Amino acid sequence: QSALTQPASVSGSPGQSITISCTGTSSDVGGYNYVSWYQQHPGKAPKLMIYDVSKRPSGVSDRFSGSKSGNTASLTISGLQAEDEADYYCSSYTSRSTWVFGGGTKLTVL
Amino acid sequence: QVQLVESGGGVVQPGRSLRLSCAASGFTFSSNAMYWVRQAPGKGLEWVSFIWYDGSNKYYADSVKGRFTTSRDNSKNTVYLQMNSLRAEDTAVYYCAKDRSGVVIEYWGQGTLVTVSS
Repeated sequence: QSALTQPASVSGSPGQSITISCTGTSSDVGGYNYVSWYQQHPGKAPKLMIYDVSKRPSGVSDRFSGSKSGNTASLTISGLQAEDEADYYCSSYTSRSTWVFGGGTKLTVL
Repeated sequence: QVQLVESGGGVVQPGRSLRLSCAASGFTFSSNAMYWVRQAPGKGLEWVSFIWYDGSNKYYADSVKGRFTTSRDNSKNTVYLQMNSLRAEDTAVYYCAKDRSGVVIEYWGQGTLVTVSS
């Protein structure tokens, strides 16, 4: 199972919006509405930010939103804040009853 | 609140075995599927295994199939990862995680480091 494709890095200034893409195949991202996004700060465990493509867990800021078109999912963070600087990973359930992650995207807040 | 505490990590020689444990609290453990996910030093996340709430279904990544086995003891609120025939490329922080709906990796523990080296 190949990893989902994410950009290695993105950056933005405080207050701006950024979008991170996550490209898979029809056997994972395109075939199911089971895409999740995770935030990971250095040395910390990942935190679920978005699940089922666009749903936010309780307690996650509404500045975080998710969407999907075909085989590509996207995470958008609006009103960037310094504390958003972290690594972000997408994940999808697959047709083989397995899970696959993206390679991760390092978000830098300038 | 949900708590997941992994243990059992350490340094092990190639070819040897190690068993990780994950003690859960703060939720109804026997009603939730569980995952193991690993992260090699400086690398991304890699899903390792999944076990259904009652242990009836288990799935593994190709990279560990035949070498790793996941199990659970609902009476002890604990999930395990038995790792055999360890290789250098198995070196990673291993996280256990709680499932949300059968397909969503929800809450994560803090992880335990496994180093495979001679």
